[in-house]
Amino acid sequence: EVQLVESGGGLVQPGGSLRLSCAASGFTFSSYAMNWVRQAPGKGLEWVSYISSSSSTIYYADSVRGRFTISRDNVKNSLYLQMNSLRAEDTAVYYCARDYRSIDYWGQGTLVTVAS
Amino acid sequence: QAGLTQPPSVSKGLRQTATLTCTGNSNNVGNQGAAWLQQHQGHPPKLLSYRNNNRPSGISERFSASRSGNTASLTITGLQPEDEADYYCSAWDSSLSAHVFGTGTKVTVL
Repeated sequence: EVQLVESGGGLVQPGGSLRLSCAASGFTFSSYAMNWVRQAPGKGLEWVSYISSSSSTIYYADSVRGRFTISRDNVKNSLYLQMNSLRAEDTAVYYCARDYRSIDYWGQGTLVTVAS
Repeated sequence: QAGLTQPPSVSKGLRQTATLTCTGNSNNVGNQGAAWLQQHQGHPPKLLSYRNNNRPSGISERFSASRSGNTASLTITGLQPEDEADYYCSAWDSSLSAHVFGTGTKVTVL
């Protein structure tokens, strides 16, 4: 069974940093590209970033480029999102999601709240 | 990044048929097609179909997808109370090198 478990969310002040992690199991992590997708309270889904299986290809949404960094560790079966210079508008549930012909499996999400 | 356009809401009666639409362009929906996701309140999204009408295992045949040009559609037949949820389409945009999502459609079963 595919499982994606996010962690690392919490309350952070504007301008602060946070690192999200996603532990993957139930599939060969190193064979799949991965994404981070977020959802602000009461709003729709917003794609944040993509990383290929070997980390050779990385993409970011315009809204986070230069502030967020996606990475992965195929030995630890883990995906990461380093978030710097956080803004109020980054407040959202952040989902780790597998990429196979589309975004197919999603984690339960971790809430990031940016507020003073 | 520009998103995909969906109607905000659709309301149909129990056991009726609902058709949801998703409009993009030739770089996304018109290119590799769309996926459809269902999201119940407080839960993560769940994939219903990908690349127009491929259903993952375990997804009911009551959900069927199609595409015509730059518009994708999801048809839900025999609506059930558990089908009340938000539905999103998504596609890879080859011009933006980004996943794009629809604005979401809230389905209400009367």
